Amino acid sequence: DVVLTQTPPTLSATIGQSVSISCRSSQSLLHSNGNTYLHWLLQRPGQSPQLLIYSVSRLESGVPNRFSGSGSGTDFTLKISGVEAEDLGVYYCVQGTHAPFTFGSGTKLEIK
Amino acid sequence: EVQLVESGGGLVKPGSSLKLSCVASGFTFSSYGMHWIRQAPKKGLEWIALIYYDSSNKYYADSVKGRFTISRDNSKNTLYLEMNSLRSEDTAMYYCAKGSRFAYWGQGTLVTVSS
Repeated sequence: DVVLTQTPPTLSATIGQSVSISCRSSQSLLHSNGNTYLHWLLQRPGQSPQLLIYSVSRLESGVPNRFSGSGSGTDFTLKISGVEAEDLGVYYCVQGTHAPFTFGSGTKLEIK
Repeated sequence: EVQLVESGGGLVKPGSSLKLSCVASGFTFSSYGMHWIRQAPKKGLEWIALIYYDSSNKYYADSVKGRFTISRDNSKNTLYLEMNSLRSEDTAMYYCAKGSRFAYWGQGTLVTVSS
């Protein structure tokens, strides 16, 4: 099974600070159809997860453009350019390339 | 507006069975694969099953394979998860989610397995 290693496990940021979260895969997430099914989700406290970024770098509709994704193969990054208070919660990467699909262990973002 | 509404959770004893439902609205349900994902208390997300839009393929996590069955009824816009031989470690919030992007999630239904 594919293992997604997310770092750091926790992140503390001030408002306006830029932060990055890494997600590394135990194998390439490039699908045979040419797509890379690596997505980023945010779970705010007490809420269901919501999609932020899909297919590595595509911004989900309605998501602020301070969120961006990059990477390829086995190495992926979520960047928040100018953290806002509403960004607190746990961020997860998830891969949908190889079944069984898998989630990263999460990165908890705290606001200082 | 896309909506996914899970139901069917509850408190059950180890070894029991339970069937969860997820009713979808606001999109063409029969065109999308659907997932079940769970989250144990204070833990991360665990993917557990996928069913293709036409039920032609189903995939499971090793932790539930042989005990859980995913199915769907496209005429009722409803996704199901039949859970047998439940264990204490199956205690979790169970979510359904839409499509290859996991673009929409329900609010979850809580399953507690305890004697």
